[in-house]
Amino acid sequence: EVQLVESGGGLIQPGGSLRLSCVASGFTFSNYWMHWVRQVPGKGLVWVSRIKGDGSDIMYADSVKGRFTISRDNAKNTVYLQMNSLRGEDTALYYCSRDEDRNGYSSFDSWGQGTLVTVSS
Amino acid sequence: DIQMTQSPFSLSASVGDRVTITCRASQSIRGYLNWYQQKPGEAPKLLVFAATSLQSGVPSRFSGSGSGTDFTLTISSLQPEDFATYYCQHSYRIPYTFGQGTKLESK
Repeated sequence: EVQLVESGGGLIQPGGSLRLSCVASGFTFSNYWMHWVRQVPGKGLVWVSRIKGDGSDIMYADSVKGRFTISRDNAKNTVYLQMNSLRGEDTALYYCSRDEDRNGYSSFDSWGQGTLVTVSS
Repeated sequence: DIQMTQSPFSLSASVGDRVTITCRASQSIRGYLNWYQQKPGEAPKLLVFAATSLQSGVPSRFSGSGSGTDFTLTISSLQPEDFATYYCQHSYRIPYTFGQGTKLESK
């Protein structure tokens, strides 16, 4: 069974840093692109970042570019999101998700339960 | 960035109803369109990928159609467990933007 478990969220002051982790199990982790998606409670889903299976290709949403860094450790089946210079508007539930590519069509077929990041003084 | 616009924003329906949710892309995304269902307190769940393909395990009352800029998600006969919020998402190019969501409520 595919499982994704996020951790690392919490309350952090503006300007602070936090590192989120997502541990995967039940599939060959290194074969999959992984994404981070965030959601302000009660609002919609916003794509944040993605990383290729071997870590060689990385992309970010403009809103986090230069502040967030995605990485992965395939030996630990873990994807990370290092978040620096945090702002109030980064407050959200952060999900990691697996990208299932079927003949070039990507979709997020598995999601974690999310980890809540609250940026506030 | 490609903008995704869903309609309606909310919808009231009854068990057994046929329900259609629409998603429009700001430019052609060919068939690179996914649909997700999210219930309160839960992570999103993939329903339809590549505009028309049903994800494994998803009931056949769900179906997707469309290509280019206009897409629909149809629930042929609404069941009690289908009351949720539905999101479309394109996967044409990064960023993979989502629609704003359609909340399906019980009438």
